[in-house]
This record gives sequence, C-alpha cells and structure tokens, in this order.
Amino acid sequence: DAGITQSPRHKVTETGTPVTLRCHQTENHRYMYWYRQDPGHGLRLIHYSYGVKDTDKGEVSDGYSVSRSKTEDFLLTLESATSSQTSVYFCAISDLPGRMNTEAFFGQGTRLTVV
Amino acid sequence: DAKTTQPTSMDCAEGRAANLPCNHSTISGNEYVYWYRQIHSQGPQYIIHGLKNNETNEMASLIITEDRKSSTLILPHATLRDTAVYYCIVRVAMDNQGGKLIFGQGTELSVKP
Repeated sequence: DAGITQSPRHKVTETGTPVTLRCHQTENHRYMYWYRQDPGHGLRLIHYSYGVKDTDKGEVSDGYSVSRSKTEDFLLTLESATSSQTSVYFCAISDLPGRMNTEAFFGQGTRLTVV
Repeated sequence: DAKTTQPTSMDCAEGRAANLPCNHSTISGNEYVYWYRQIHSQGPQYIIHGLKNNETNEMASLIITEDRKSSTLILPHATLRDTAVYYCIVRVAMDNQGGKLIFGQGTELSVKP
C-alpha cells in the first residue's frame, strides 16, 4: 500500500469550531489533494497542491483552506465548521502523468460530523 | 480538463466480461485517460491508464478509439468483488496543469451471480 495516512479517521465537532485534517505521505509525490464525498455527489475536489506552498482551488473550495509547508504534509482546515461540511474527506497523492507510477493513491478517509 | 460521460449504472453476470464505456469527445492530445474504482466507502483504487494505445494489466484492459474520443474499460471475467463505482477521468500531462484530478459521477457496476 502507498504510504498515505489521514488523521483523524473520525471526528465529531460543533458548529462554529475550527477543524484541521491532516494528510501525510511517505512517497515524495508532488501532488496532494483533498476531496469530499457525499451521497449523490461522488468525489468532489476541494483543493490540491502541486508543490510546497503551491496550492489551487478545486470544485468546492468555499469554507476550506489548505496549507502545505513541506512535501509530506497537506492540511485541510475548516475555519468555522458548518453542518453542510459533514462529509467523508479523502486525501490523495500522485505524481505527474506521463511518468512511471502516476496513478493517484487515496487515503482511508476521514468521517467528519458537524453537530 | 475534458469532461467525461459515463452511463449511470450497468449490470454484468459473474464470469462474463464487463465493458464499461466512457465518452471524452473534447479530449486534448496531451490528456491521458485514467480509470479508478471505488468499492463501498473505501478510497478509490487505480485500475489503468493510457494515452493512445490500448493497455492491459492484471486487472483490466483499456481500449481507446483511434480518434481518442471514447474508451472502454474491460474486466475480462467479472466477479462479485468487482461490484463498485467506476470512474473515467482525463488528465493533462503538463506540469502544474496535470495536477487537477476531477472525478465525475462514474458508473455503478453490479456484478450478479
């Protein structure tokens, strides 16, 4: 299995509180991603990173911020959690297409509940 | 990124070949076709990818039409464990732009005994 770890795996938090999810990789892959998955919506890209301190928005970035201060860690922060952010969050890593082993590897997911 | 179109759902009999189509009519010359699948609530799993030529690995075969506007993922002998949602994605090969990985709705494949 690819070296990708998400933490925490489960979290319950109250509306209005800040929440940070962590994605850690040991593969030295360039790209890191955060997705959310909700029933009926499939996987939706929140933010992604193409290098240290280089990030860009995805499809559903409102209410989320990210940071990548080193290659191996990509943090997703909900500044003030809302019930609409209750979801399963997946982190993924990949390298450039066209190179060897460029498939994306996904973490096990974090189930976040905002009450 | 080019958009992809897949059927919402498909059925397949166990032991038969499952052929999952994907339309990517606006694909550019530098975009690869990738296939992933997601079983239950697990993270998606990579299956195969290709640029122009047909590809085969231990899991599946990928057939890309000559004009590259569509492709088919073939699971040669489907088993019950292949029941999953299958996603077809196109992805550019250029630096930075190659990073964005957008999933559509996918095809829900049900393999039946």
